[in-house]
Formats: sequence, structure tokens, C-alpha cells
Amino acid sequence: DAKTTQPPSMDCAEGRAANLPCNHSTISGNEYVYWYRQIHSQGPQYIIHGLKNNETNEMASLIITEDRKSSTLILPHATLRDTAVYYCIAPRMSGGTSYGKLTFGQGTILTVHP
Amino acid sequence: DGGITQSPKYLFRKEGQNVTLSCEQNLNHDAMYWYRQDPGQGLRLIYYSQIVNDFQKGDIAEGYSVSREKKESFPLTVTSAQKNPTAFYLCASRAQGTTNTEAFFGQGTRLTVV
Repeated sequence: DAKTTQPPSMDCAEGRAANLPCNHSTISGNEYVYWYRQIHSQGPQYIIHGLKNNETNEMASLIITEDRKSSTLILPHATLRDTAVYYCIAPRMSGGTSYGKLTFGQGTILTVHP
Repeated sequence: DGGITQSPKYLFRKEGQNVTLSCEQNLNHDAMYWYRQDPGQGLRLIYYSQIVNDFQKGDIAEGYSVSREKKESFPLTVTSAQKNPTAFYLCASRAQGTTNTEAFFGQGTRLTVV
């Protein structure tokens, strides 16, 4: 898997946008960037993924730089329930399909405060 | 409903005993994974399997064993050789392919060895 680097922690005020960065400078051309979040003592939950175009779904938006070396997960209106650990990963691809290990780093602890 | 199920949610064992954690999925996913999580830490990969009757060691496989006799099931045995088995264990599965290969996680098993 491509190595990803995230800040260990971030704060955000409730109602404001939370912008979580991720560096993945060694990512290969066909590797997707995935974001997950883990609320305390639960299994991680998938949020969004993308290859090179910006993506948006009901949970978040994903902005990927043109050189694909970094991305930003945006929670447009953070709520207290968005307090969680957010993981950015870039699983290895081989032969055009997902392959092998699925490695998670330490993630970013996002704290949303009133 | 499709999903991935881990059981039990809490497990207590005496030191020196082997214990098996269950993971079952009905998502028809080829790949399955086991992770260990310690307090305040990220997910560390123990074992993974991409196909029935095949599995590979992850980053911290020592003291653990797995089997993959059926596509739906990927049990993890924590052996007496694991020096510090008390932890939160997470199982995941995902499809192999080019897109939409997000991982689905179970709710975890919290193992306490006394």
C-alpha cells in the first residue's frame, strides 16, 4: 500500500467545515485513495474514495490534488457526532485490481467542539 | 441484510489458553482481514486472505493463526504464544476489483486475558 501521512489530531467548531489532509506522495497512478472513520470502540466505517477527480457523497467531499500526492477530506458542516478517528489509505493495486494488504496508519483524531 | 459479523463482542480468557474469534460475512467478498487495535493506537494487520484456502501474514502475525476453509468465514485463533493478547480485534472484508472495493468492518471483539 502507498504510505500515507496524516496529522495526529485536529479540532473543529460545530457547524464549521472540517478539512482533514492526507499526504500520499508514493501513490501509483491506478491506486485509489480511501477514507474511513472510527468512532470510539466501533469498527471503522467507509466514507468516500477517489482516483483523481474530486468526489462528493452524502457524508463528505474528497479533493485530490492534480499530482495525486495529497488529498483533503471535507466534512462541510461538522457536528459533535463527527468526532472520530479518520483514516486515509491507498491500497495497492496489481493487474488492475485491488490486491493484498490493507494497511491503516494512526489516522487523525478529529474533535468537534460546541 | 448483508454484512460482516464478529462474535462475541466481549471475551474473557485465562492466560495460557487458546481462544478463537469468529468472523462471518455474507457479502460474497473474496478478501478478509484481521486487525488488532490497542488503546489510542491505529489498526495493525495480523493476517489477511484473498481467496479460500489461502492466507498471508500481516505485520504482527506472531502468536496468531487463521484458517479460510469457507469464503464466508475467517476465524482467528489467539494462541498462548501471543505475549500480550488483551486488545480490540477487528475483522474486515472487501471485494476484489477495480472500483468499489471499500472494506466493511465488523463491530469488533474485545478480548481480555487475565
